[in-house]
Amino acid sequence: DGGITQSPKYLFRKEGQNVTLSCEQNLNHDAMYWYRQDPGQGLRLIYYSQIVNDFQKGDIAEGYSVSREKKESFPLTVTSAQKNPTAFYLCASLRQGQNQPQHFGDGTRLSIL
Amino acid sequence: SQELEQSPQSLIVQEGKNLTINCTSSKTLYGLYWYKQKYGEGLIFLMMLQKGGEEKSHEKITAKLDEKKQQSSLHITASQPSHAGIYLCGADGTGTASKLTFGTGTRLQVTL
Repeated sequence: DGGITQSPKYLFRKEGQNVTLSCEQNLNHDAMYWYRQDPGQGLRLIYYSQIVNDFQKGDIAEGYSVSREKKESFPLTVTSAQKNPTAFYLCASLRQGQNQPQHFGDGTRLSIL
Repeated sequence: SQELEQSPQSLIVQEGKNLTINCTSSKTLYGLYWYKQKYGEGLIFLMMLQKGGEEKSHEKITAKLDEKKQQSSLHITASQPSHAGIYLCGADGTGTASKLTFGTGTRLQVTL
């Protein structure tokens, strides 16, 4: 079945450590997205990529980095510069064109040790 | 930037009762997407509305977009425990869903 796979489901970060969240899709979608979800704040866009080897900052990109070397993969690195990384992270993908919804993975919950 | 306000923030209804969730935009919407999320999981796409006055239904869930395309409502008829979760609306400001702005969500609990 086609879909979006996020891993790991749970992740713990130590102070000063960078961690990378994985997002893989086999839907052949061009665009991919990373969102952060905090209680009571809905989803906020971190980074997005509409084509391989290109990506744009979203609303809260500081302290995060991404790469898009393959169409299927869009990993997110939470760097030590992100002082409040505890959140639920969601990856999404989109087939470009009219009336197409974004499809979401099952998320990764990141906590600080 | 586009802002979306959802109301109510949370809702507890008895099984079998009807309910309505609202989503109001500060700007005219090119498209409005409704998603459902179970706690700790990803978002499941429900419906997308694009035209003023448009209404769509799927099983017991009906979504409407007003004529001015600034407000949408999600109505659930005869609620069931399976309807419990967080409902989020997402606004399309470009016409391609390439960048969505999401509301803060409405948490629905259905009691027996």
